[in-house]
Amino acid sequence: SAVISQKPSRDICQRGTSLTIQCQVDSQVTMMFWYRQQPGQSLTLIATANQGSEATYESGFVIDKFPISRPNLTFSTLTVSNMSPEDSSIYLCSVALGSGANVLTFGAGSRLTVL
Amino acid sequence: QQQVKQSPQSLIVQKGGISIINCAYENTAFDYFPWYQQFPGKGPALLIAIRPDVSEKKEGRFTISFNKSAKQFSLHIMDSQPGDSATYFCAASMGGSYIPTFGRGTSLIVHP
Repeated sequence: SAVISQKPSRDICQRGTSLTIQCQVDSQVTMMFWYRQQPGQSLTLIATANQGSEATYESGFVIDKFPISRPNLTFSTLTVSNMSPEDSSIYLCSVALGSGANVLTFGAGSRLTVL
Repeated sequence: QQQVKQSPQSLIVQKGGISIINCAYENTAFDYFPWYQQFPGKGPALLIAIRPDVSEKKEGRFTISFNKSAKQFSLHIMDSQPGDSATYFCAASMGGSYIPTFGRGTSLIVHP
């Protein structure tokens, strides 16, 4: 299994600002994912972070709002841009291990509150 | 369109009781059905999973029951303990895809 470290664990941000969340994995992984978990809601996939190419975004999420970097096989960042209170959520980094394993390992999440 | 429906949204059980969470899916191409457990302040973690070639899988106090014809599967927690209090997500994925479709989650509280 992989160990995922996310920073920050929580933050309070002002409307209109941007925040970058970092995700560090202790082993090289091909597939990294960013999820959003709003209060009382399910896990919503924002995008798949691809090493060496642009991230693949799910419907309803755009690169201008959620730019993602994936400079190597152990690290990724997600930026939440021009934040509004509606962006208050937990953002989770996740990785898939093993060919065909269909198992995701998640970081502890970054809880953002936008005032 | 929600492809995995999970119920109930919340569940309160007394210590020693049985907790039952149900999920239903629509896409018959799904072939892997995991359950994730999430404690407050932590990310979800794989608890138990099943493939449709078996009707039941048991790991300790946790059992998945799977009904392929009804397109339903459920998690049973026997002898529920306060330490089981968490949010549980069912999920479904297909064909080697790492990207599961998650249910809405069930907040379980086990009273001592």
